[in-house]
Amino acid sequence: EAAVTQSPRNKVAVTGGKVTLSCNQTNNHNNMYWYRQDTGHGLRLIHYSYGAGSTEKGDIPDGYKASRPSQENFSLILELATPSQTSVYFCASGEDWTSAETLYFGSGTRLTVL
Amino acid sequence: GEQVEQRPPHLSVREGDSAVITCTYTDPNSYYFFWYKQEPGASLQLLMKVFSSTEINEGQGFTVLLNKKDKRLSLNLTAAHPGDSAAYFCAVEANTGKLTFGHGTILRVHP
Repeated sequence: EAAVTQSPRNKVAVTGGKVTLSCNQTNNHNNMYWYRQDTGHGLRLIHYSYGAGSTEKGDIPDGYKASRPSQENFSLILELATPSQTSVYFCASGEDWTSAETLYFGSGTRLTVL
Repeated sequence: GEQVEQRPPHLSVREGDSAVITCTYTDPNSYYFFWYKQEPGASLQLLMKVFSSTEINEGQGFTVLLNKKDKRLSLNLTAAHPGDSAAYFCAVEANTGKLTFGHGTILRVHP
């Protein structure tokens, strides 16, 4: 079964601090995604990747960086965290960009920036 | 760009009743449509994906209807049970490959 694992599950950070959210997938999928979920906004795409070494900007990339060092791992980096980045973050992997791709989601990371 | 509106944001029904969640979208070039289910504390999982060529799709205990003329997608749980309590998200994919999610509906089914 497809498996996407996120860490940590919960994180409290201070304003201005650096935060790294990690995601690991064992599906051997080329595509990986980072979304944030906020009340009233649903899921919004932050960054995505087509494969190792690739990162692309999504719809709301400002304030975030991404890193895809390998097929399995995709990280989301907040260099200078702000309270507006308090949210639930979901990582997902997908098998086919071109047609009706099914996404496999991790369990989410709840980030609070104080 | 694509706008997806999902209604209602919260829905409470009794066991055995039907529950209907609706999404409307704006891009007439949308071609693929998805429903994801997120149980409490768990990740989103695909419930069903449908294509613009098919208007009615039936799953186990639910039906997905697509009205291309009105640009409306609905999920109908025909006889809801407590195990259906979850958050449901629609997602719409245009032929560009871009996926847009609805804001979600939290469904609660009372015994």
